[in-house]
Amino acid sequence: SQQGEEDPQALSIQEGENATMNCSYKTSINNLQWYRQNSGRGLVHLILIRSNEREKHSGRLRVTLDTSKKSSSLLITASRAADTASYFCATRGYQKVTFGTGTKLQVIP
Amino acid sequence: DTAVSQTPKYLVTQMGNDKSIKCEQNLGHDTMYWYKQDSKKFLKIMFSYNNKELIINETVPNRFSPKSPDKAHLNLHINSLELGDSAVYFCASSQVGGPSYEQYFGPGTRLTVT
Repeated sequence: SQQGEEDPQALSIQEGENATMNCSYKTSINNLQWYRQNSGRGLVHLILIRSNEREKHSGRLRVTLDTSKKSSSLLITASRAADTASYFCATRGYQKVTFGTGTKLQVIP
Repeated sequence: DTAVSQTPKYLVTQMGNDKSIKCEQNLGHDTMYWYKQDSKKFLKIMFSYNNKELIINETVPNRFSPKSPDKAHLNLHINSLELGDSAVYFCASSQVGGPSYEQYFGPGTRLTVT
């Protein structure tokens, strides 16, 4: 079964607005990662949050993790047209990382 | 300085053919992966190798055979291609044993079976 599921599946916002994406997972994890995929390209690692962490920041990115609810959120502040991409959460269990279904973000200039 | 490279980038072939995709990483990582991304963008792991040894095989049909001649290379050979094999195949690598399993992805190979 699919470990991570992102919500929403697609999101369209104006440049300058904030974008929030959510990820839910089913089993216990060691860490949770967020990746970005631009159209026609491979995935790029954005940020990792460990299971004992609740919040993490990296530039305009803010990630939260709630292990009791088995959920995480990715917030992109002050979005730019260049943020247009698909965003995937990935959960690390034993030996492997499992990717979610992705959120397609469109930032309109 | 390409970290993870794949060849070819595009592959169009007919059903029943056999084809290979090559992957190389110059990051010195111990672990390499093959993923399949379908038309709905769902990314599913197929195989994982650590230091040339298979550690993950996710119930992939045995028409798919990975080969790792050394820890910097992981090639994927596919026999008797089927229409359902059409997808984008991504190679990735990571340094197992480090603080995370952050993965570095190649650019992908778009396989179209006609």
